[in-house]
Amino acid sequence: AQSVTQLGSHVSVSEGALVLLRCNYSSSVPPYLFWYVQYPNQGLQLLLKYTSAATLVKGINGFEAEFKKSETSFHLTKPSAHMSDAAEYFCAVMDNDMRFGAGTRLTVKP
Amino acid sequence: DTAVSQTPKYLVTQMGNDKSIKCEQNLGHDTMYWYKQDSKKFLKIMFSYNNKELIINETVPNRFSPKSPDKAHLNLHINSLELGDSAVYFCASGFFGRDTQYFGPGTRLTVL
Repeated sequence: AQSVTQLGSHVSVSEGALVLLRCNYSSSVPPYLFWYVQYPNQGLQLLLKYTSAATLVKGINGFEAEFKKSETSFHLTKPSAHMSDAAEYFCAVMDNDMRFGAGTRLTVKP
Repeated sequence: DTAVSQTPKYLVTQMGNDKSIKCEQNLGHDTMYWYKQDSKKFLKIMFSYNNKELIINETVPNRFSPKSPDKAHLNLHINSLELGDSAVYFCASGFFGRDTQYFGPGTRLTVL
């Protein structure tokens, strides 16, 4: 079965700094990959998804992710962090159902 | 115009009680899901329901039963609640296969 692993349960950056959240997948076939964000006490919101088209995927709120088959990675980045980016971020792979990583909590310091 | 809605948002109940959580989607999707998020934020699929076919995660106790009156609704009924059932439960919907799932706002269940 396909799965994803998120490296780092907690990432802390300063406002204006680069955000990098890591996700590696295991899949024997081209995967469908997703990044979701969960703000406190809210449901999950789709940030972006990879569906075998362009390897660099742009999402909402200035986030993007690059699919790298050679590294089996789908890391999420944002050039400049904003305080409002503080949330829990989940990488996921679609098999017959959605399988989520353990999540990475992003903290943004002023 | 909420896409996926759940009620109630909060549910506090005693051990041994039976409770239900309702979910509705107005996106025209053919598949609905229930997830459990534990205190460590880990998300786990419980059920998916597509065209009256129910796929159950084998680790889900049979005290949990989804009920779908129509394609737009998938309710979760829980019998004989236990302390370990305390969690946030999310409903989601999508088109069957490899597409995006849209999540409801969650129901925080607390069993005392």
